[in-house]
Amino acid sequence: DQQVKQNSPSLSVQEGRISILNCDYTNSMFDYFLWYKKYPAEGPTFLISISSIKDKNEDGRFTVFLNKSAKHLSLHIVPSQPGDSAVYFCAASTNDYKLSFGAGTTVTVRA
Amino acid sequence: DTGVSQDPRHKITKRGQNVTFRCDPISEHNRLYWYRQTLGQGPEFLTYFQNEAQLEKSRLLSDRFSAERPKGSFSTLEIQRTEQGDSAMYLCASSLFPRGYEQYFGPGTRLTVT
Repeated sequence: DQQVKQNSPSLSVQEGRISILNCDYTNSMFDYFLWYKKYPAEGPTFLISISSIKDKNEDGRFTVFLNKSAKHLSLHIVPSQPGDSAVYFCAASTNDYKLSFGAGTTVTVRA
Repeated sequence: DTGVSQDPRHKITKRGQNVTFRCDPISEHNRLYWYRQTLGQGPEFLTYFQNEAQLEKSRLLSDRFSAERPKGSFSTLEIQRTEQGDSAMYLCASSLFPRGYEQYFGPGTRLTVT
């Protein structure tokens, strides 16, 4: 059962514009959410996270928004840069600290 | 600060053979996780350790799979009698419990079963 869903397999955005990645979840027990970035032939790299007690967390060009009532979170990247081209995974955890991942969204930043 | 390392990076084996992968976590991390990733999917949880104790195994982990973390440092994942369906990327991650939810991943071992 897929508890974390990323319904957009790919996203193409022009350099300098905003990238918005979406993630939905079904398990109301999730209390912590994370985004990971993955380049080919490398493991996922932690990007940014948010606790369920918050609705926004910002780190430089990256902002994550959480809407608990809708069981939805999003990652905003602004401005998008060519080095942002990668696969982005949404992940969620309950208090056991195990991660459940979505299937990923491939972001391509066009020059 | 060395990250998580995994060995080998690639493994090609014939169906029915046994394989073993190794993971070296970040040195001060007490939790170590194994995940499996197939094409077009996100990582799926297999099992995890806190120090040397294996705390949980996913139902994805058949009896052919076994994992150890004998001294609470490195870990090994063994697959016996490999099947073609075992072909995947096997990822290891570590974290410092209970300080944070963030897990730090190694580069993975890509297994191809022919």
